[in-house]
Parts: sequence; structure tokens; C-alpha cells
Amino acid sequence: DTGVSQNPRHKITKRGQNVTFRCDPISEHNRLYWYRQTLGQGPEFLTYFQNEAQLEKSRLLSDRFSAERPKGSFSTLEIQRTEQGDSAMYLCASQPPGTNYGYTFGSGTRLTVV
Amino acid sequence: DAKTTQPTSMDCAEGRAANLPCNHSTISGNEYVYWYRQIHSQGPQYIIHGLKNNETNEMASLIITEDRKSSTLILPHATLRDTAVYYCIVRVYSGGGADGLTFGKGTHLIIQP
Repeated sequence: DTGVSQNPRHKITKRGQNVTFRCDPISEHNRLYWYRQTLGQGPEFLTYFQNEAQLEKSRLLSDRFSAERPKGSFSTLEIQRTEQGDSAMYLCASQPPGTNYGYTFGSGTRLTVV
Repeated sequence: DAKTTQPTSMDCAEGRAANLPCNHSTISGNEYVYWYRQIHSQGPQYIIHGLKNNETNEMASLIITEDRKSSTLILPHATLRDTAVYYCIVRVYSGGGADGLTFGKGTHLIIQP
């Protein structure tokens, strides 16, 4: 297992288009998190899954954002009708069950909305 | 989760110990101290965490004061590859894992050759 994988690494899209990102966590990790990071800021929490259940969503996750983890393995984050303010790095992290160990983050997807 | 305060930036000479301070004066008894770092254009990397006792692993040491109101991350022999933003985070271990980590702006550590 090579860690948390995110695809694509970079995405440029026109304002108003929909985009979807994928995250493949470490296989035995049942907890999965999505974060967003803008330039010069620390990552901001978006949402959390335990297995296939989405248990927490930040107020940052507007109605245009939706995340799924259909079989408790990989996850997708979709942004509809993208806006320039959505330009950011989108990070995925996973964590093993029943532990307070640190998260393992992926390298992120850099979204640029033009 | 309690708030943390870190210096914006620090310099350290290559080969020397880098000591990164973090203030968390409002920490509660069940909150852990976590450290992550983020190298440019990569995702954050977990370094170490602790509750009360000092901790050491292959990457770093974590020294927590007796009153738990502050801590120091020590990189014993800094290399150029340790140049990164270092985040100190305190959070409750909720067991269910539902709480997202709250990152601040961190400390930009620059290792000088």
C-alpha cells in the first residue's frame, strides 16, 4: 500500500463547470476526511466519513459540494457550478479505526477555476 | 478544541536542533497535542502526538510542560528537507473520530545551510 492516493493532481476548469475528485485511502483505514487549503492558510475541514457513512459536514461545505464514499473504500468530492472562490488544494486523509493516531494525508488535488 | 499560538516563522542552522514552541494555555484535560508538518506542494504529514508525557519517535521529540499549557517540538538534527510549515493542534480524542482537525497558520521553519 502506497498511502493515500488522490486524482487528479491538478484540475483547471471554467467557472460554472462541475468537477469531481477521487480519493483512495489506505485500505484498512475506515475513517476518511476531506480538507480544503487556500494559499497561505492551513487546511480547513470539510467532511468526514466512517466507512460509507458521512458523519460530519463543515459549514464550509455549501450545497454545491457533495461527497460520497459508496462502498466504504474510495471517496469522491464533487463541486457543482464552480466559482473562482473554489480555487484551492483539496486534501484527503485517512485514519485507522479505534485509534488516536495521526491522519495520513494524500498529496491533494489543486483546483484552479478560471 | 483549544486554540494554539505559534510563531509565524523560525530559522535554524542545518545540523542543529530545531525547537518549535506552541502555546495552548486553554487546553483541557482530555485534549491531546498533535504536530503535523507540510512541505511545499505536499499534503500534511503527521509527526507526533502526546497527552501528558514527553514522547519521542524516529522523527522528533515532543516536550509538554507539566501544566500542559505549552509544548515544544524538537527536531534533533535538522536537515534542509525539514524546511516546512509545522502545525501544532490540540484536540479531544473522541473515539469515533468525528472531529476534524483545526489547523492554524503554523510555523514556517527554514533550515539554513
